[in-house]
Amino acid sequence: DIVMTQSPDSLAMSLGERATFNCKSSQSVLYSPSNKNYLAWYQHKPGQPPKLLIYWASTRESGVPDRFSGSGSGTDFTLTISSLQAEDVAVYYCQQYYTTPYTFGQGTRLEIK
Amino acid sequence: QVQLVQSGAEVKKPGASVKVSCKASGYTFTTYTIHWLRQAPGHRPEWLGWSTADNGNTKYSQELQGRVTITRDTSASTAYMELSSLRSDDMAVYYCARGSRESAYGSLDFWGQGTLVTVSS
Repeated sequence: DIVMTQSPDSLAMSLGERATFNCKSSQSVLYSPSNKNYLAWYQHKPGQPPKLLIYWASTRESGVPDRFSGSGSGTDFTLTISSLQAEDVAVYYCQQYYTTPYTFGQGTRLEIK
Repeated sequence: QVQLVQSGAEVKKPGASVKVSCKASGYTFTTYTIHWLRQAPGHRPEWLGWSTADNGNTKYSQELQGRVTITRDTSASTAYMELSSLRSDDMAVYYCARGSRESAYGSLDFWGQGTLVTVSS
């Protein structure tokens, strides 16, 4: 199975600050024929299902604010929130869909300082 | 709008089975893969398996192989996940989620609201 590891485990930032989440996969999730990274980011708030933010590592899902962006390739990926808002408090997960079983990182908990 | 509506919370005894339903609306059910996942408290989400769009072919997590069965009723636009021989570590919130249209391999863009399964004697 592909192991997904996120860092840090938690993040405490002030409103308006830039937040950066890291995700590393134990093997590449780049599919060379299409040059696509099979990597997604989700936002998970208590009592709600996870919400898709980013797919193909850098494509923003429809309706997701443009303060959210994704980057990276191969085994190293980053989710950035450019200017933190109060409603961004959540746990953020990366997930690979390159192969089954799909696997998730352990999550990074974002709090407001 | 796309919606996945799951059946309600379940309480089961160890060794029993549970069957969770997921009714899709707002899109053509047979054009997207349906995935099933679960999340135990304090744990990361865990993928259980999928049912493909075109013919409903299934693939399961090897960890649960033999205990999990995913089926669908296309006439009712509903997918089902049945888990047998329940144990205490099967206690979790179970989710269905919509996958890709183009391929079985894709991100999960819409999720059901979740179904809490409690296993207790």
